[in-house]
Amino acid sequence: EAGVAQSPRYKIIEKRQSVAFWCNPISGHATLYWYQQILGQGPKLLIQFQNNGVVDDSQLPKDRFSAERLKGVDSTLKIQPAKLEDSAVYLCASSRGQGAYEQYFGPGTRLTVT
Amino acid sequence: AQTVTQSQPEMSVQEAETVTLSCTYDTSESDYYLFWYKQPPSRQMILVIRQEAYKQQNATENRFSVNFQKAAKSFSLKISDSQLGDAAMYFCAYRSNAGGTSYGKLTFGQGTILTVHP
Repeated sequence: EAGVAQSPRYKIIEKRQSVAFWCNPISGHATLYWYQQILGQGPKLLIQFQNNGVVDDSQLPKDRFSAERLKGVDSTLKIQPAKLEDSAVYLCASSRGQGAYEQYFGPGTRLTVT
Repeated sequence: AQTVTQSQPEMSVQEAETVTLSCTYDTSESDYYLFWYKQPPSRQMILVIRQEAYKQQNATENRFSVNFQKAAKSFSLKISDSQLGDAAMYFCAYRSNAGGTSYGKLTFGQGTILTVHP
């Protein structure tokens, strides 16, 4: 089966600009996760979807970050306006459901904010 | 809130030798999973091994095994017969099995960079 797809793989923007990332999970996976991985740290969950509903967005900086998962399939994560501290790798992962123990990760999008 | 700590920022091992990566965690829950994930340079994260908290037997996957000490909240990964392809960042992760909004969420440690010398 095809893995989790993400695009773009790399993005460089200036601070205060906006950016969007796209994720297509494994077919049939109901749960989708966005993680932020700052260099030298472990990933931190930003938002979790179950189908097209938000389960947990407690760590999402809602003044600048937004995410949606239309039709319960692919998802977009947006940052507007970007700050220098947003430089990180944004990882998308999916699983069959919340109870499934294994999450499958995409290759990530490396964002550099200058 | 749960926390996961990996106290070894970097480790190195000779090819064919054995190395152990350490992880401790803090939780008040009794039902949870623990995982080790591998993240090779510029490649995606993959699951290496998992342990269910209610199982006393330590998990094993080929050359990878864990030492799960529930009372001590310790979860180490042992890699036997190390290979060059084992070189990567290794993350320890915790997942609650208690339901609620945190159900399914992974909490990661800071990671350990493993270097394998030929």
